[in-house]
Amino acid sequence: AQSVTQLGSHVSVSEGALVLLRCNYSSSVPPYLFWYVQYPNQGLQLLLKYTSAATLVKGINGFEAEFKKSETSFHLTKPSAHMSDAAEYFCAVKKSSGDKLTFGTGTRLAVRP
Amino acid sequence: DAMVIQNPRYQVTQFGKPVTLSCSQTLNHNVMYWYQQKSSQAPKLLFHYYDKDFNNEADTPDNFQSRRPNTSFCFLDIRSPGLGDAAMYLCATSSRGREETQYFGPGTRLLVL
Repeated sequence: AQSVTQLGSHVSVSEGALVLLRCNYSSSVPPYLFWYVQYPNQGLQLLLKYTSAATLVKGINGFEAEFKKSETSFHLTKPSAHMSDAAEYFCAVKKSSGDKLTFGTGTRLAVRP
Repeated sequence: DAMVIQNPRYQVTQFGKPVTLSCSQTLNHNVMYWYQQKSSQAPKLLFHYYDKDFNNEADTPDNFQSRRPNTSFCFLDIRSPGLGDAAMYLCATSSRGREETQYFGPGTRLLVL
């Protein structure tokens, strides 16, 4: 069974600082990988996804993630944090068509002024 | 804009009183999902429909039922809500294919008194 691990349930950065949210997956085959963001009392919004095309994926709101097969990682980054980035971020993995989407436990990002 | 809509956004019910949550979509996706999300946790899949085919997760309580009368609408029925069923309920849709990206609605927060 595949799984995904998000290191750090809480991450705090200063406004303007680099954002790095970590995600590692375990899968026997190259998976499909997703990052979602959730604001308080909202649903999940797709930030970006990896579907075996380019390994560096650019998403919305200035976020990007790099698929590294050798490290089984798909870390999310943003060069400069904004106050509006404060939210919960979920990494998720899916092995193939028809497979269930498996979520990580989430990382809550706080942005300090 | 194509979207996933959930009504109501907030629902208050009494212990043991049946409640129905609704989801509609204008994406014309053939797969619809219901998730339960408790505070500070990842979403947990309850069941999904692939067209009219219903797929229940093994650990979904019998108290939870679903209906999908047509492509656009899907309902979640909780027959006898308990205090432990208070949560955010998320509807998502996807199109069956390669990565099957899931798009989420804004959620319905259920409070059980």
